[in-house]
Amino acid sequence: AQTVTQSQPEMSVQEAETVTLSCTYDTSESDYYLFWYKQPPSRQMILVIRQEAYKQQNATENRFSVNFQKAAKSFSLKISDSQLGDAAMYFCAYRSGPYFGNEKLTFGTGTRLTIIP
Amino acid sequence: DVKVTQSSRYLVKRTGEKVFLECVQDMDHENMFWYRQDPGLGLRLIYFSYDVKMKEKGDIPEGYSVSREKKERFSLILESASTNQTSMYLCASTHGGSGYEQYFGPGTRLTVT
Repeated sequence: AQTVTQSQPEMSVQEAETVTLSCTYDTSESDYYLFWYKQPPSRQMILVIRQEAYKQQNATENRFSVNFQKAAKSFSLKISDSQLGDAAMYFCAYRSGPYFGNEKLTFGTGTRLTIIP
Repeated sequence: DVKVTQSSRYLVKRTGEKVFLECVQDMDHENMFWYRQDPGLGLRLIYFSYDVKMKEKGDIPEGYSVSREKKERFSLILESASTNQTSMYLCASTHGGSGYEQYFGPGTRLTVT
């Protein structure tokens, strides 16, 4: 079974600065997907960014980018120019390869990010 | 916009009651999921369904059952609620196959007293 580990329960960053959230995972599979989800206080969970394991290029979405190290099984999220609206719980998640029946996600325990004005 | 709705944001029930949590999605997704979210434990999968009337156990199915009679609706049932089922419950849905994202509902915070 796959496991996902987020070793930082809480992080804080000054507004406009850069912060990196860590995620490691354990799998014997070669084809899989990794996700970062954001859960703002009292609001719905939304996708931040997605990485396909067969793609070597790191995914980016505006101020959000990942550092995907497949051999090290590491998938960190970098948030540049942090904004107050980035304050949330961030979850790293793993999904097995693109086959029907593999849609379930395995989540890490989350990192609570605080933005300091 | 994909929309996943849950029947209640907050629910208070007594021990031993039968509890129904309803989830509806409007994007014709094949797959639907029920997760439980607890501090320090992240999200854990209770049950999922990949088609109408089909269901599979997740990691923590004990004490729960599910029903999917229509494609857009997935219900989580607590047959006899217990205090250790006090938690946040999240529903999600996604298309089958390639690594599509899951879309989440707003969650139901259930308190069992």
